Amino acid sequence: SAVISQKPSRDICQRGTSLTIQCQVDSQVTMMFWYRQQPGQSLTLIATANQGSEATYESGFVIDKFPISRPNLTFSTLTVSNMSPEDSSIYLCSVDNWGEGYGYTFGSGTRLTVV
Amino acid sequence: GQQVMQIPQYQHVQEGEDFTTYCNSSTTLSNIQWYKQRPGGHPVFLIQLVKSGEVKKQKRLTFQFGEAKKNSSLHITATQTTDVGTYFCAVSTGNQFYFGTGTSLTVIP
Repeated sequence: SAVISQKPSRDICQRGTSLTIQCQVDSQVTMMFWYRQQPGQSLTLIATANQGSEATYESGFVIDKFPISRPNLTFSTLTVSNMSPEDSSIYLCSVDNWGEGYGYTFGSGTRLTVV
Repeated sequence: GQQVMQIPQYQHVQEGEDFTTYCNSSTTLSNIQWYKQRPGGHPVFLIQLVKSGEVKKQKRLTFQFGEAKKNSSLHITATQTTDVGTYFCAVSTGNQFYFGTGTSLTVIP
């Protein structure tokens, strides 16, 4: 299955600033997915990123707040913009290995704290 | 997105006891996946079920997909401390997967 390198692993940011999270995959994948996991909660899908087209956002998430780039088939970034303490969460990227029967592979996550 | 409920939300068991978590959907599912997330870790894929009534086993773990494809269960026999973590089911709508609420398992040595 695919291997994902996600950076940074954690960060503490001031409110009003932005943070860009990067995910690098060791193989080419059509779709990449971005999730948010608040402490003690389940994973919530933010958006689906396809190469060469705009990301598709889930209800409650907007491009101005969470702009996503997908410049090629192995890389994607998620930016958390104009942060507030409510954005404190773990952000994870993932890719599917369905063709190989291995489900989704996740990055190790970015633990974001906004102060 | 899809709404899937898992019960129980939390479960504490003595080491050696069995454990079961259930995933329930109000709609018929095309497939269901199960993941395990260790404390401080990220979700790790366990298995995918596709067929009605399907049962799959992985050592002490038994996964079942309901006949109506609206529910699923994960059963762990004789839990060990290494089983600690949160177990999530995940269901798909198109190409996206939506995660259930999760069951957090604590195993008391």
